[in-house]
Amino acid sequence: DAGVIQSPRHEVTEMGQEVTLRCKPISGHNSLFWYRQTMMRGLELLIYFNNNVPIDDSGMPEDRFSAKMPNASFSTLKIQPSEPRDSAVYFCASSPTGQGTEAFFGQGTRLTVV
Amino acid sequence: GNSVTQMEGPVTLSEEAFLTINCTYTATGYPSLFWYVQYPGEGLQLLLKATKADDKGSNKGFEATYRKETTSFHLEKGSVQVSDSAVYFCALSDRGRRALTFGSGTRLQVQP
Repeated sequence: DAGVIQSPRHEVTEMGQEVTLRCKPISGHNSLFWYRQTMMRGLELLIYFNNNVPIDDSGMPEDRFSAKMPNASFSTLKIQPSEPRDSAVYFCASSPTGQGTEAFFGQGTRLTVV
Repeated sequence: GNSVTQMEGPVTLSEEAFLTINCTYTATGYPSLFWYVQYPGEGLQLLLKATKADDKGSNKGFEATYRKETTSFHLEKGSVQVSDSAVYFCALSDRGRRALTFGSGTRLQVQP
């Protein structure tokens, strides 16, 4: 398997623009997670899905952020409108069913909002 | 709620030195514990894990033992190499919340 695939790897956008980050989880994994990594706050869980259903979105910073998982092989994280404080590395991860199973991470998308 | 506390970094060692990175946790029930490693510009990779008390996870010379009595999962390696330079994250997941809770990360720098 190719692992968790994220796109784009790098995104530079202007403040106020819409940004969409994409993720393809590992086939057969039924949980998907979006994390944000910054120097100040470390790794923060934004949202996670189980069987394509959002289970916990309490980490989504505000209404400008939204995430979808229309099917088992694709998820998006959208920021609209983007702000400079959204600049971070965004990771997608997936994991199979079962207690104690680890999450597998993508390479991340480095977002810069200018 | 769940939380993970790691020692502050950076940790700077000479090659072949002994490594310990401390990790303690707070969780309800019996969590699974993990160590992840992140190399520059990359995502996180699982280094090792332990799913119940007294389990020892090991991989690539690294070890960590799940200590329920001290709620700890310290990472150790007997002889570090320059190639071990990276950021190490301790994490947990529990039965009720499968998403990982991460510590703040510890940067390790190994000098030749």
